[in-house]
Amino acid sequence: GEQVEQRPPHLSVREGDSAVIICTYTDPNSYYFFWYKQEPGAGLQLLMKVFSSTEINEGQGFTVLLNKKDKQLSLNLTAAHPGDSAVYFCAVSRTSGGNYKPTFGKGTSLVVHP
Amino acid sequence: AQTIHQWPVAEIKAVGSPLSLGCTIKGKSSPNLYWYWQATGGTLQQLFYSITVGQVESVVQLNLSASRPKDDQFILSTEKLLLSHSGFYLCAWRGQGEEQYFGPGTRLTVL
Repeated sequence: GEQVEQRPPHLSVREGDSAVIICTYTDPNSYYFFWYKQEPGAGLQLLMKVFSSTEINEGQGFTVLLNKKDKQLSLNLTAAHPGDSAVYFCAVSRTSGGNYKPTFGKGTSLVVHP
Repeated sequence: AQTIHQWPVAEIKAVGSPLSLGCTIKGKSSPNLYWYWQATGGTLQQLFYSITVGQVESVVQLNLSASRPKDDQFILSTEKLLLSHSGFYLCAWRGQGEEQYFGPGTRLTVL
């Protein structure tokens, strides 16, 4: 089945620096890609969804890149601020419908120091 | 707008005791619903999914069961808790773009 490797597991940056998190997946037929943010004691918050037909998506303060050739999905937080401190998860899936089981990365704990 | 609510917020239970966790979705008709388990600081493991009322599919066997008694309600339960059941339980519904929207979670501690 699909396997997703997420790195780094921990990331510490200064306010204003960029932070890059990368997920590498194995199934070339994966079609749905997501980034989620989880703050302490809370559920996961959807940051961005990417379909295989797109490669670059920009959100508020971050950019998501999908490199299908290398089977990599990346999240780049530009000019990080302390409010970005959280655990970030990528999720990858090839299926849709009710029997929908995305594969999640193991998470990256990001700390942004003032 | 859709809202998702989980209850209780946290539970501390003894090994061998029963458990019932709930999840309610408002503002979404006939949602596809999911239960996930998350170990402390860990990745998510999907436990169950449900497409419609009365129908629940198990994804992994962890001595847990789930039920969908109403269109907007998803229940996770067990008659006998194990230490390994400790963790964070998340309910989610699936959006139109295959994304999932998660509830606030329930923290379970089994002693």
